[in-house]
Amino acid sequence: DAKTTQPTSMDCAEGRAANLPCNHSTISGNEYVYWYRQIHSQGPQYIIHGLKNNETNEMASLIITEDRKSSTLILPHATLRDTAVYYCIVRSTDSWGKLQFGAGTQVVVTP
Amino acid sequence: NAGVTQTPKFRVLKTGQSMTLLCAQDMNHEYMYWYRQDPGMGLRLIHYSVGEGTTAKGEVPDGYNVSRLKKQNFLLGLESAAPSQTSVYFCASGLAGVVDTQYFGPGTRLTVL
Repeated sequence: DAKTTQPTSMDCAEGRAANLPCNHSTISGNEYVYWYRQIHSQGPQYIIHGLKNNETNEMASLIITEDRKSSTLILPHATLRDTAVYYCIVRSTDSWGKLQFGAGTQVVVTP
Repeated sequence: NAGVTQTPKFRVLKTGQSMTLLCAQDMNHEYMYWYRQDPGMGLRLIHYSVGEGTTAKGEVPDGYNVSRLKKQNFLLGLESAAPSQTSVYFCASGLAGVVDTQYFGPGTRLTVL
């Protein structure tokens, strides 16, 4: 599975949109992009995933560039409860079950 | 619908002791996983199961054994605990298929002295 690169940390003001970048320049055609987050001392929580097209659900939006080498997770209206470590994971359809969690991005939402 | 539950929540062991961590899910998921998370690091896969009666090794399987006798339960065993196994252990479950969405339990914090 392709490796991902994320910033170590970022701050966001409450009520503003949080844009979390992820670089996956070696991604191949059958690899999906997944986002999970982990609030302190809790188990990770699935947010969203995508292959080629942009995706949106009740939690967030996922924007994938046309060349698929990078993506951005958007939290439209960040709240204090969104403070967490966010993991960008790339996984192929051939290696199900083997989510490779990196260090992620520590997002701190401030009042 | 409780989702994924883990027992116990906390445990302290002495070196050489054994214990079993229990994971239960009520979502009828085929796949189940055990991860460990060390301080300041991401999760690492220990073992996983693709169905009742099956298990497979993950990234860091040494020192652990697992069993999946029932579809809803996945047990993680430590036969002879070592201080290096001090960690937070997370269980997860998911549906079979191309899309790999995993649902995680609250974790078990294990300390080995």
